[in-house]
Amino acid sequence: GENVEQHPSTLSVQEGDSAVIKCTYSDSASNYFPWYKQELGKRPQLIIDIRSNVGEKKDQRIAVTLNKTAKHFSLHITETQPEDSAVYFCAASAGGFKTIFGAGTRLFVKA
Amino acid sequence: NAGVTQTPKFQVLKTGQSMTLQCAQDMNHNSMYWYRQDPGMGLRLIYYSASEGTTDKGEVPNGYNVSRLNKREFSLRLESAAPSQTSVYFCASNSGQGRGYTFGSGTRLTVV
Repeated sequence: GENVEQHPSTLSVQEGDSAVIKCTYSDSASNYFPWYKQELGKRPQLIIDIRSNVGEKKDQRIAVTLNKTAKHFSLHITETQPEDSAVYFCAASAGGFKTIFGAGTRLFVKA
Repeated sequence: NAGVTQTPKFQVLKTGQSMTLQCAQDMNHNSMYWYRQDPGMGLRLIYYSASEGTTDKGEVPNGYNVSRLNKREFSLRLESAAPSQTSVYFCASNSGQGRGYTFGSGTRLTVV
């Protein structure tokens, strides 16, 4: 069945450095790719998303890139801050109502 | 504007007991979802309701039932709880296909 793989499972960076989280998806019909941030004990929150007709999208310090041919998409966070510490989930949807989530990346930003 | 409201926040059940998790949204969203979150496994879809009056199975529906009571409310029922159903449950809603979710605050369920 459909699958989304996410790497790395844990990422530790120094404050001010960049962080990159990568995902691959199996369903070539996927056309919507959201990213969620979940702080400890809180609900997941949508932080950015990208559709298959776009290769890159930016919102301040975060950006997402999509390579449809390779079925890869990535989240880039620049100038990381301690408040960026959280679990990040990528996801993929093939236009229906089922969204498949990756297993998550725990990001630690060290001050 | 409360968004998505879930109750209860915490629950402990004995094996074989039943319970219903409640979810309500005030964003006039058409679609609602129930996910479970287990360590290292991300979020897995249990059931969803594309619109009022419809429900469909997700990835892991066994042991659960749902009811879309009206456009605002979508409940999840465990008829006979099992330890494998120990998890954090999230309700979510969106305006339709290919849209981001708004999640509720979650229910931490322990089955002993």
